[in-house]
Amino acid sequence: KAGVTQTPRYLIKTRGQQVTLSCSPISGHRSVSWYQQTPGQGLQFLFEYFSETQRNKGNFPGRFSGRQFSNSRSEMNVSTLELGDSALYLCASSSLYRGGAYNEQFFGPGTRLTVL
Amino acid sequence: GESVGLHLPTLSVQEGDNSIINCAYSNSASDYFIWYKQESGKGPQFIIDIRSNMDKRQGQRVTVLLNKTVKHLSLQIAATQPGDSAVYFCAEFTGGFKTIFGAGTRLFVKA
Repeated sequence: KAGVTQTPRYLIKTRGQQVTLSCSPISGHRSVSWYQQTPGQGLQFLFEYFSETQRNKGNFPGRFSGRQFSNSRSEMNVSTLELGDSALYLCASSSLYRGGAYNEQFFGPGTRLTVL
Repeated sequence: GESVGLHLPTLSVQEGDNSIINCAYSNSASDYFIWYKQESGKGPQFIIDIRSNMDKRQGQRVTVLLNKTVKHLSLQIAATQPGDSAVYFCAEFTGGFKTIFGAGTRLFVKA
């Protein structure tokens, strides 16, 4: 079974631009979460989607948005990029949460975004 | 606010020794915890999990201990190997489909 894939793997943008990152979850997984990883702040939760619905959102400005498609693939968008947005953006997928129990998240390799 | 932290940012151990990585969490409502391993250039990889109704769980060479009284997690790695060198994160789930990660501990294994 293929793992979580993220594209592109590396991206360089300039301040003020916008960027769209893509994540394809493991086949059959319907939950997709996004995280931002930086040396200073560590791994921070951005948002989680399930069946095209955002179920939770972290403490990030509205410039960060996401969506999920009917095939569970997800995209996140960052508008008006700032230097501080430079980070590794990680996507993780999980199978359905059953009866309140959580299931393991599988992470992709991440997209390394550099904002100049 | 909610937070998950680690006592030691770096840990250096001799190959063959046991390693213990610690984590403190602040939300007593958290009911599920995971330890992840992240190697350079890769995403975090699941190691072991534990639910709040347990205080110990063992895997292959790894054991997670949960002390809800003091809100503390630990990851024990037996017979540490060079391939165990990585950054280790604890993560807590508080419900609401949101995961909070700790800052991470870098484990160095000396041959």
